[in-house]
Amino acid sequence: DVKVTQSSRYLVKRTGEKVFLECVQDMDHENMFWYRQDPGLGLRLIYFSYDVKMKEKGDIPEGYSVSREKKERFSLILESASTNQTSMYLCASSLIAGAYNEQFFGPGTRLTVL
Amino acid sequence: DQQVKQNSPSLSVQEGRISILNCDYTNSMFDYFLWYKKYPAEGPTFLISISSIKDKNEDGRFTVFLNKSAKHLSLHIVPSQPGDSAVYFCAATPRNYGGSQGNLIFGKGTKLSVKP
Repeated sequence: DVKVTQSSRYLVKRTGEKVFLECVQDMDHENMFWYRQDPGLGLRLIYFSYDVKMKEKGDIPEGYSVSREKKERFSLILESASTNQTSMYLCASSLIAGAYNEQFFGPGTRLTVL
Repeated sequence: DQQVKQNSPSLSVQEGRISILNCDYTNSMFDYFLWYKKYPAEGPTFLISISSIKDKNEDGRFTVFLNKSAKHLSLHIVPSQPGDSAVYFCAATPRNYGGSQGNLIFGKGTKLSVKP
């Protein structure tokens, strides 16, 4: 079974803090994604990556950055957390780019910014 | 501009009856569609998918129907069980999405409640 793990299930941070959310997948997937889920808004793509050191902006990249130094790890960075970044953050991975593959999701990190 | 729409935010069904969740899309480039199920405090899990070359795909109690001319798909759950209570997301992916094939476009979700 594919396993996608996220470093924290719940996180509370203060406005202005730098926040790191870590995601690791164990199935050698090329593609990795970061989403946020908000009530009534569904899943919105923040950033994605198709290869190590490669990243592309999704639909809502403002206020976020990412890092992919190793194939299995994809980090989401909030440079200066703000209250409107309070959300559920979901990491996902999938197999090869250019093919129709389901995405496997981690359990999510519920981030609260005070 | 919402490309994948789930117009019903919630649905309540009696145990044993059929649940029908609907999804509409606007982009004719979409040619692969997926349904995900999400329980509270967990990540979404893949449920069933359908390619645009088909109009139906069945997996146990779950069947997805695709009407390409209407740009509409639906998920049928028969019979519905209380454990099916969750948020269901419809997702679609295009042949070419800015060169980034494999990206999924999600709807906002429908919360299904199955009452015993």
